Amino acid sequence: SAVISQKPSRDICQRGTSLTIQCQVDSQVTMMFWYRQQPGQSLTLIATANQGSEATYESGFVIDKFPISRPNLTFSTLTVSNLSPEDSSIYLCSVDGTGDYEQYFGPGTRLTVT
Amino acid sequence: GQNIDQPTEMTATEGAIVQINCTYQTSGFNGLFWYQQHAGEAPTFLSYNVLDGLEEKGRFSSFLSRSKGYSYLLLKELQMKDSASYLCALTGTTDSWGKFQFGAGTQVVVTP
Repeated sequence: SAVISQKPSRDICQRGTSLTIQCQVDSQVTMMFWYRQQPGQSLTLIATANQGSEATYESGFVIDKFPISRPNLTFSTLTVSNLSPEDSSIYLCSVDGTGDYEQYFGPGTRLTVT
Repeated sequence: GQNIDQPTEMTATEGAIVQINCTYQTSGFNGLFWYQQHAGEAPTFLSYNVLDGLEEKGRFSSFLSRSKGYSYLLLKELQMKDSASYLCALTGTTDSWGKFQFGAGTQVVVTP
């Protein structure tokens, strides 16, 4: 199993600013994933973060808007840049389970852009 | 693409059984997963299928038929705490189990 924490749990940000979200895992994992869940919708994968290499972004998501860091095997950050109200969402990180097929999700960061 | 379709909402009474269907169109995937998500919380894992057939985990069972592009999640002996959104998700086809594509979710409402 894996225990994931995220900071902050929620934030209210002004348009044009940026927010950096931290994800910490209690064990070393190869891949970490960042998802977005817009209000009333399901989860959409933003990018995959591997340690020691650039993140891989899904269609519709770009590095300039969502820069990601992965400095070690237990930690990653996602920055949401140049915020607009459309970025108001819950952002979740997730990791593969070690030795099982489960995918574990962090508690999420609720972002509101005003 | 991997279009994933689920009913938007289902209502059932406490103690009953509910079956949530999930259909998809894809050329291939590693596994099909079911997650439960209560409002304001992160998704939690319920069940997964890699091979065709039925997987049972307590009150929850999941079924997969790859040839029919179809899965279902069966919830038995419904409890009020089962009121939540249930997400069907397909894993990636090649490099990682962690790259999910999620359906829109089915909101299950359990009534007394």
